[in-house]
Amino acid sequence: AQKVTQAQTEISVVEKEDVTLDCVYETRDTTYYLFWYKQPPSGELVFLIRRNSFDEQNEISGRYSWNFQKSTSSFNFTITASQVVDSAVYFCALSDALTTDSWGKFQFGAGTQVVVTP
Amino acid sequence: DGGITQSPKYLFRKEGQNVTLSCEQNLNHDAMYWYRQDPGQGLRLIYYSQIVNDFQKGDIAEGYSVSREKKESFPLTVTSAQKNPTAFYLCASTPLRDRGIYTEAFFGQGTRLTVV
Repeated sequence: AQKVTQAQTEISVVEKEDVTLDCVYETRDTTYYLFWYKQPPSGELVFLIRRNSFDEQNEISGRYSWNFQKSTSSFNFTITASQVVDSAVYFCALSDALTTDSWGKFQFGAGTQVVVTP
Repeated sequence: DGGITQSPKYLFRKEGQNVTLSCEQNLNHDAMYWYRQDPGQGLRLIYYSQIVNDFQKGDIAEGYSVSREKKESFPLTVTSAQKNPTAFYLCASTPLRDRGIYTEAFFGQGTRLTVV
């Protein structure tokens, strides 16, 4: 069975601090996809990144970076120099490639609320 | 602009009533999904549909029903059999997987349902 664990319920930081969100996943499949989504107060989920299980390269996009470590089944997300606009709930999600027949079927973690204060 | 529209944004239901949440997309996506979000539990899949007139149960389908009469529309009915319906409901859509070409899922802005 698939499982995604985001152990941090809420993280509070002061603007310009870095913040790292942890994500640990479980799956028996060898081919799978990992995602991060941002949920601002408006409610919709905003796609941030997708990573497939064969690509362990870390990725940086502006102030965002992701560290995928298959050995520890982790896919952590770091926001560098946080800003107030980063305040949101962030979800890590897993989708396996073999039994999932469409791109919208996910196993989500519980989410981490990030609060950035000025 | 292409996107997903969910309505209403807020919905109040009396116990024992059925209510229907609307989800419409103009992205020409084949697949549509309904997720339920509860505090501290993330999102859980209720139902999904990959083609008109066909749909499959997700992880928590009990007490819910759906229809897919048109490609653009995937309404969710929360029936009186759903014992704890108060939650935030999100609709999403994607193309079907085709030759491994990936397209991100698009989500609506959600409907917050409260039982009064």
